[in-house]
Formats: sequence, C-alpha cells, structure tokens
Amino acid sequence: ETGVTQTPRHLVMGMTNKKSLKCEQHLGHNAMYWYKQSAKKPLELMFVYSLEERVENNSVPSRFSPECPNSSHLFLHLHTLQPEDSALYLCASSQDQGQGFKYGYTFGSGTRLTVV
Amino acid sequence: EDKVVQSPLSLVVHEGDTVTLNCSYEVTNFRSLLWYKQEKKAPTFLFMLTSSGIEKKSGRLSSILDKKELFSILNITATQTGDSAVYLCAVINSGGSNYKLTFGKGTLLTVNP
Repeated sequence: ETGVTQTPRHLVMGMTNKKSLKCEQHLGHNAMYWYKQSAKKPLELMFVYSLEERVENNSVPSRFSPECPNSSHLFLHLHTLQPEDSALYLCASSQDQGQGFKYGYTFGSGTRLTVV
Repeated sequence: EDKVVQSPLSLVVHEGDTVTLNCSYEVTNFRSLLWYKQEKKAPTFLFMLTSSGIEKKSGRLSSILDKKELFSILNITATQTGDSAVYLCAVINSGGSNYKLTFGKGTLLTVNP
C-alpha cells in the first residue's frame, strides 16, 4: 500500500447506473487529484482539489462529479457513463504548498472501471 | 498546451542489457521533471529532476535532465525481469498556486530472462 487507498479495485457498471469511487490518504497531504488512464493514452488529469477546494476541472463531462469532504477523502461520483469511459481511474495526493512538493504525487492503486 | 513525448513506446530486452528511455517536453513555467514506474496499477515515484546536468542515481537506475534541449533520459543497467513495467515521465507546471503534472504515454519495457 502506498498510503493512498482506492476502493473498489474493480467496478463493472451499466450505462444507467450510479456509482462512486472512493479515495483515502493518510499522508497528511493537502492536495488530491483524479486521473484517468486509458489504453495507449497519457494519464489525463480530471480534477484537482487543494485544501478541499476544487481548483481545476479539466473539461470533464458532467457525468463525472467529484467531492472532497475533507483533506483525507476524495470521491468521484459516476452516473450515466458511456462505454468509452471504461478506464483505470487513479487517485493521487501531494503536499502542494511551497517547498513541500518534493516527491510529486503518491498514487493509489486505481479502480478499473468497465462500463457495459 | 504542455506536451511530453516519450520514446520508444515499447522496448523488449534480455536480462543484463542496459536500456535508455527518453523523454522530451514542452511546458510553460517548467519546475521539475519526474519519472515513475508503473507495474500493475499504482505508479511509484523514481526521480524528480529540477536542475540540468545533475545525475540522480538509485541502484541500477539513473536519470539526468537537460533543460536547454528540453529532455531527460532514464538509464537502467544490468536489467532484471523485475524491471519490466511502464515507465512514465511527467513534467510539473508551476503556473498559478498549484502544481500540475502532465504525463507522457509511457514506455513499456519488457525484460526477458
């Protein structure tokens, strides 16, 4: 375990379902991120939260809805997804203030999402 | 738009070989370049490079940054089957108050016994 825990590890959902991905970090970091990793594409930044405020929304469709209730938890709520949304969803955290950003991100193990 | 290009996209070698992975970038407000190793799911941190020409080493892995030519290389000597993974390069854009990483597509390294 890296200090960033994601659940579930695998998720299969229909296009009309609603589900949520959960991410939890115990590293004392103050910034959290959602990334999407599709086959043969670079990791794509979806959302950034710094000090529990959303500071970046990278043109992500509204069927993805993030929530950051506190600095240790991050959710990604999913509804009416499309098959092309099938991918590995990675959560990451960092100490994002001043000189604290020394080691990049710490990633979770991801949720492998399949939309059928 | 920030851009990171890695080459080759995939590479197959035999145990004991030495490999060099390449990463070139175009980014505004460059702060640092990072290398990650991704075996199954979670990318794990290898190096962060901020200054040009200073080699960072960890065991059989080493990396160096050239900020004039805008590239970095990751070297792995005496490769082992456990080095098989996707190696990701990312650059940090420090514009604004938050650090953003832009990733390359990765290099898939396969080390055969």
